[in-house]
Amino acid sequence: KQEVTQIPAALSVPEGENLVLNCSFTDSAIYNLQWFRQDPGKGLTSLLLIQSSQREQTSGRLNASLDKSSGRSTLYIAASQPGDSATYLCAVKSNDYKLSFGAGTTVTVRA
Amino acid sequence: DTEVTQTPKHLVMGMTNKKSLKCEQHMGHRAMYWYKQKAKKPPELMFVYSYEKLSINESVPSRFSPECPNSSLLNLHLHALQPEDSALYLCASSQDGRALADTEAFFGQGTRLTVV
Repeated sequence: KQEVTQIPAALSVPEGENLVLNCSFTDSAIYNLQWFRQDPGKGLTSLLLIQSSQREQTSGRLNASLDKSSGRSTLYIAASQPGDSATYLCAVKSNDYKLSFGAGTTVTVRA
Repeated sequence: DTEVTQTPKHLVMGMTNKKSLKCEQHMGHRAMYWYKQKAKKPPELMFVYSYEKLSINESVPSRFSPECPNSSLLNLHLHALQPEDSALYLCASSQDGRALADTEAFFGQGTRLTVV
């Protein structure tokens, strides 16, 4: 069974600082990895999708890397803003077509 | 349009009530999912429909009954729920649940369910 771990569980930074969020997974036989953002009590917003054949994806201030062989992904958020405060979830799609989620990293960006 | 729409946004129901959650997408996706999320926990998969057929049931109690009337709609029928079933219920869709190189999963805003 795929296990997904996110470290740290919570992060508080001053505005302008870069954010580094980590995700690790136990089974490297994945099809893709997706990063989501979730605001309190709301649904999930897709941020980035990385296919298993890719090493990196970028969207604006967001950059996600994937090292499938070591079972790791990192989400970088440049020049953080208070509006970036949310919980960030990574999810891995394995060969059973299921999305397995990590528990998330809750980010607070202080103005 | 990358939107998955869920209704209602909030629902309070008694343990003897019957209610339904609705999910709709118009992206032409053929895979649709129900997830349950408790506070401060990750979403947990409940059901997967692929091409309008139930392909995955994660041993969900029968008081939850999914239905996929057509490729755009997904319902979750609720009956005789327990207070511990109170949670955020999320619907998602993706292009093809069977495809090996699947595309993005898109989630709705969820239905906040409270069972009293």
